[in-house]
Amino acid sequence: EPEVTQTPSHQVTQMGQEVILRCVPISNHLYFYWYRQILGQKVEFLVSFYNNEISEKSEIFDDQFSVERPDGSNFTLKIRSTKLEDSAMYFCASSDGGPQYFGPGTRLTVT
Amino acid sequence: GENVEQHPSTLSVQEGDSAVIKCTYSDSASNYFPWYKQELGKRPQLIIDIRSNVGEKKDQRIAVTLNKTAKHFSLHITETQPEDSAVYFCAASKESGGSYIPTFGRGTSLIVHP
Repeated sequence: EPEVTQTPSHQVTQMGQEVILRCVPISNHLYFYWYRQILGQKVEFLVSFYNNEISEKSEIFDDQFSVERPDGSNFTLKIRSTKLEDSAMYFCASSDGGPQYFGPGTRLTVT
Repeated sequence: GENVEQHPSTLSVQEGDSAVIKCTYSDSASNYFPWYKQELGKRPQLIIDIRSNVGEKKDQRIAVTLNKTAKHFSLHITETQPEDSAVYFCAASKESGGSYIPTFGRGTSLIVHP
């Protein structure tokens, strides 16, 4: 069964540094998403992406965040200048318009 | 925006018992309600979903009910097993740009004692 994959599984970075989190959605899916989950809390929507543009974003997704689909398979989330409060698990998800399927996540630790 | 409340936050049951998790939502336009199971350190996995045009859906030991009038929906797990132990998240969503953007509840930690 095809799955969403994410790299790296764990990223440690210093405050103020840029990070790029990478995702490979399920190949025939057209809708892509990023979520974050702070330890012990609920999953929070960040952004959705369709047809090479952002279709919806939450208040969390401010100017420090950006997404890109650089080629036919990857979907990336960039945080330009990380803050301590960006430490969380970041999940990518994809769908064909129906249920969303999540990747295994990238644990981002900002020190 | 949508607000989803989920109860209880922790649920402890004996193996073989039933477990019920309840959620309420605020936006009457929400029309798709998935449930996710998240084991420790792993990805959320869809276990069942229901759309607003049906009131109940069942898949083996798992069932979900939806009351649109009261804006609440519930997950029922029968004959619980230790491997059912996980955090369960409900979500409410409505179509946006061709897909659904879920608002998640805070999660229920289900512990099934052998």
